[in-house]
Amino acid sequence: AQSVSQHNHHVILSEAASLELGCNYSYGGTVNLFWYVQYPGQHLQLLLKYFSGDPLVKGIKGFEAEFIKSKFSFNLRKPSVQWSDTAEYFCAVNANTGGFKTIFGAGTRLFVKA
Amino acid sequence: DAEITQSPRHKITETGRQVTLACHQTWNHNNMFWYRQDLGHGLRLIHYSYGVQDTNKGEVSDGYSVSRSNTEDLPLTLESAASSQTSVYFCASSPGLDPDTQYFGPGTRLTVL
Repeated sequence: AQSVSQHNHHVILSEAASLELGCNYSYGGTVNLFWYVQYPGQHLQLLLKYFSGDPLVKGIKGFEAEFIKSKFSFNLRKPSVQWSDTAEYFCAVNANTGGFKTIFGAGTRLFVKA
Repeated sequence: DAEITQSPRHKITETGRQVTLACHQTWNHNNMFWYRQDLGHGLRLIHYSYGVQDTNKGEVSDGYSVSRSNTEDLPLTLESAASSQTSVYFCASSPGLDPDTQYFGPGTRLTVL
C-alpha cells in the first residue's frame, strides 16, 4: 500500500531562516506528487505539484520542491521564510495507475517567529 | 466563481445520533472526496466518488456512508455517531485530470459527546 511520511511534525523558525520539509513516499511506480498548505483558519490549497519533466518544481509564494526518484523523496524548500508562512504543510502522493485517490502525509506544522 | 462549500461548519451531537454533513461544489467536477483530519494522522480518506451513482470506500470508511445522486453534492452520513468520530471533516473535488489537483472545502468541525 502507498504511504507518505513527513519527517517533522512541528518546525519553529525565525523569519528569514531557510526551510526544508522532508517527505518520503512508498510506491514503486509512477507517481504524481503534491504539497498542499493550510493557513490558520483556511482550507487546504495547492502549493505545488510534480508529474513529469524537471524534478525541481516552483510553486507559489517562493516555495519549491525537488523530486528525487532514487530516494522516493519530494522535499519542500524555501530560502527565506516569512511570518505569513506559518501554516500546516501536507505532502501528498497520487499513484499514476488510473485512479485519483491521493494519499496524504500527517502534516508538518510550521511556526515562523517574527 | 466556482467553489466548494460545506455545511454545517460546526456541529455538536450526541453518541448514537445520525448526522449528515453536506458538501456542494460548483466546479462541475466528476470526482469528490471526504477526508477526516486528526492530529498526527493528517488527512485520511473516508469515501470517494468518481461520478453520479459511483461511491467507493476509503481507508477509514467504517461508520460512514455517502451517496452521489448528482454531480454537485456528496453528503456524508454518520449512521450512529461515536466519540471516535469527533474530528474535522474536509470535502474535496477534482476534475479527474492527470495530475489531479484537489480543491478543498472549508471543513466541518464535528464533536460527538
